Amino acid sequence: ETGVTQTPRHLVMGMTNKKSLKCEQHLGHNAMYWYKQSAKKPLELMFVYSLEERVENNSVPSRFSPECPNSSHLFLHLHTLQPEDSALYLCASSQDRLAVTYNEQFFGPGTRLTVL
Amino acid sequence: AQSVSQHNHHVILSEAASLELGCNYSYGGTVNLFWYVQYPGQHLQLLLKYFSGDPLVKGIKGFEAEFIKSKFSFNLRKPSVQWSDTAEYFCAVKGNNRLAFGKGNQVVVIP
Repeated sequence: ETGVTQTPRHLVMGMTNKKSLKCEQHLGHNAMYWYKQSAKKPLELMFVYSLEERVENNSVPSRFSPECPNSSHLFLHLHTLQPEDSALYLCASSQDRLAVTYNEQFFGPGTRLTVL
Repeated sequence: AQSVSQHNHHVILSEAASLELGCNYSYGGTVNLFWYVQYPGQHLQLLLKYFSGDPLVKGIKGFEAEFIKSKFSFNLRKPSVQWSDTAEYFCAVKGNNRLAFGKGNQVVVIP
């Protein structure tokens, strides 16, 4: 248990559905991250939030929409996804964002997403 | 942007064998280096890290890694593996305020 929880753990959705992934951290951290983990590919950083402000968006398609209502919660809203978006989506948090100082990232267990 | 290379994506070995996983990166500036491990069904967790100082870093569970700046490498080693070391191992490099991960090494230890 890392102090970072994600729900749901598994999600199957059609291409026309709208769903949301939730991440919650209980560590008092200031930065939160969304990653995409696909088979045989490096972890891809999608979004970075620092103190509830989005500070990084790595050319992610607009069908992925993040939301950070407070420093403990992070959402990823999904809309009209494609089958190639099927992957494990990982949330992580760190004390401060990487640009500030060395920070170990604590990862959640991930949401296994399948898009039909 | 920096990139991270991990070779031999699948590694199968017997208990008590020695393990070495290679990690090379492309960034030429100051780096922080990490190895993360993901056990089956579990979350990614930090195995060890290099920030500065002694380039030979000791981590948890008997793992160590050596930073060789001239070779842009941060290879992970364990002299004698156990069945419980079956996992996926990811090298990560922080440089220029960005963190990049490698593709990972899937390690299977046969009892």
